[in-house]
Amino acid sequence: EPEVTQTPSHQVTQMGQEVILRCVPISNHLYFYWYRQILGQKVEFLVSFYNNEISEKSEIFDDQFSVERPDGSNFTLKIRSTKLEDSAMYFCASSEAGGGANELFFGEGSRLTVL
Amino acid sequence: RKEVEQDPGPFNVPEGATVAFNCTYSNSASQSFFWYRQDCRKEPKLLMSVYSSGNEDGRFTAQLNRASQYISLLIRDSKLSDSATYLCVVNNYGQNFVFGPGTRLSVLP
Repeated sequence: EPEVTQTPSHQVTQMGQEVILRCVPISNHLYFYWYRQILGQKVEFLVSFYNNEISEKSEIFDDQFSVERPDGSNFTLKIRSTKLEDSAMYFCASSEAGGGANELFFGEGSRLTVL
Repeated sequence: RKEVEQDPGPFNVPEGATVAFNCTYSNSASQSFFWYRQDCRKEPKLLMSVYSSGNEDGRFTAQLNRASQYISLLIRDSKLSDSATYLCVVNNYGQNFVFGPGTRLSVLP
């Protein structure tokens, strides 16, 4: 069964360091997303990406965040200068098409710990 | 008012019980509705979409009341494997899916 894969599964970093989280969406999917979940809290939308550009982003997705699709398979989230409050589980997701009726397929997540 | 609100739980029920979860959403223009399931420290997975006429999938029944901006999930004959957090998800427009805080269910032997 096709799946979304994410690396690393867990990353520990020092405050102020740059972090890149990587995702390989399902191959025939066209829409890609990043969500985050702070421990014990709800899943929060960060950004959606389609046709090599950001289609929507939330207030959380400020200038320290960026996304990129550097090749035909990877989809990355970069945090330029990490803060303690960036500690969370980051989920990548993809969907076959746009529009609200489509199922989101999530990866297993990358746990980021900022010290 | 929060965009999507749910019973916080936890709900602790014996095997075989019927349990219902409620969800309300604040945006009357919301278009699509879903229930996702999230096991502890795992990714969310789609349980079922919620249609205006209500829909059923085995032991699971979802209802939508647009006038009251209310969604429900009913689980019949609970199994131990149903223990998880159930997430109400609403799509208002485009690709922005809004997740509720989740309702935790523990099914006890």
